[in-house]
Amino acid sequence: QVELVESGGGLVKPGGSLRLSCAASGFTFSDYYMNWIRQAPGKGLEWVSYISSSGTAIYYADSVKGRFTISRDNARSSLYLQMNSLRAEDTAVYYCARLDTAMVKYWGQGTLVTVSS
Amino acid sequence: SYVLTQPPSVSVAPGQTARITCGGNNIGSKSVHWYQQKPGQAPVLVVYDDSDRPSGIPERFSGSNSGNTATLTISRVEAGDEADYYCQVWDSSSDQNVVFGGGTKLTVL
Repeated sequence: QVELVESGGGLVKPGGSLRLSCAASGFTFSDYYMNWIRQAPGKGLEWVSYISSSGTAIYYADSVKGRFTISRDNARSSLYLQMNSLRAEDTAVYYCARLDTAMVKYWGQGTLVTVSS
Repeated sequence: SYVLTQPPSVSVAPGQTARITCGGNNIGSKSVHWYQQKPGQAPVLVVYDDSDRPSGIPERFSGSNSGNTATLTISRVEAGDEADYYCQVWDSSSDQNVVFGGGTKLTVL
């Protein structure tokens, strides 16, 4: 069965950095595009970034462009999100999610990132 | 970038039919996917490609898409259907490809 497990969330001060990880299992990781999607407390879903199966195509939401970097290690079946220059508005649960032909079929349970002084 | 508009809330009595809309410019030309999210849980795909259901999703969940509006229909609503529902499309015309609607809170009266 497909499993996505995020880690790396926590409390960080404004301007700080954090690196999220997602460990994937139950499928051939290198065959799939992968996403990060976030949800601020009490708010809706916001797509953050996706990366192609080979890692050659990468896109970001305008709200994180230039501050966040998505990457993957297919040998380790892992997805990453390096978050720099964090702001209060980046506070959210961050979900790792598999992209299946333009839909998100599998989601992790999420990891909470809190940006606060 | 492409915008999807959902009503903030929909209320329905148990056993009745709930309809949640998702508006977008010529959305009928896109494939629409719907997610259910209960408090404290990750979203779950309930309808994909406008009207198909993943395995394990009850037949009570159905979808349609035409013109500028897509609709998620939940028949014979149960208390357990109370949740937030989000529509989503792939916008190939920009680099902000994965687009979500703002979400609709379904309340079962």
